[in-house]
Amino acid sequence: GAVVSQHPSWVICKSGTSVKIECRSLDFQATTMFWYRQFPKQSLMLMATSNEGSKATYEQGVEKDKFLINHASLTLSTLTVTSAHPEDSSFYICSARPEGAGGHNEQFFGPGTRLTVL
Amino acid sequence: SQKIEQNSEALNIQEGKTATLTCNYTNYSPAYLQWYRQDPGRGPVFLLLIRENEKEKRKERLKVTFDTTLKQSLFHITASQPADSATYLCALYNDYKLSFGAGTTVTVRA
Repeated sequence: GAVVSQHPSWVICKSGTSVKIECRSLDFQATTMFWYRQFPKQSLMLMATSNEGSKATYEQGVEKDKFLINHASLTLSTLTVTSAHPEDSSFYICSARPEGAGGHNEQFFGPGTRLTVL
Repeated sequence: SQKIEQNSEALNIQEGKTATLTCNYTNYSPAYLQWYRQDPGRGPVFLLLIRENEKEKRKERLKVTFDTTLKQSLFHITASQPADSATYLCALYNDYKLSFGAGTTVTVRA
């Protein structure tokens, strides 16, 4: 149980285009999902916390107009990178916390999406 | 500023030996600390959680200690196997979110 999927697993796009990444909890409902970004040999950096039915909370320094997050259902959150540029190339990872879990329960991570912007 | 530091970027050990990884943190008061495994090109996989009032936790060949006075956690892999080769991340739960260290890459030689 507790499987989180991401789609696509990798994507290459041209500079200036937008890319949408999906994160799904397959066998549980997730009130809260998280989006992280990871550059090579660096730690995962939290970008935003996504709550079902409400606006996402963005970390300091993350542009909310550039990284659009939608959490329309208890099993799906999407991250759209708008007007992507080469510096947005990174590994994007989502995680989901089961509904009803206390704040200390572990998060379940997706397999990640490799974004390359040419 | 807040910082999470994991000892070395890479650790190479012989199969059967014990790998010991260190996670030090500053300016955090975590309620608990977690360790994850991450394989290349994959998301992290949860391994162990240890709370602030626990000194030690074990799971099969894994052992974690947590010293809130030293602000340090040690992660041990005993009787290591080549399949244990991966990057290991420590993460602190603080202020309703997880903050990660950069990880230590462990390579176990057969």
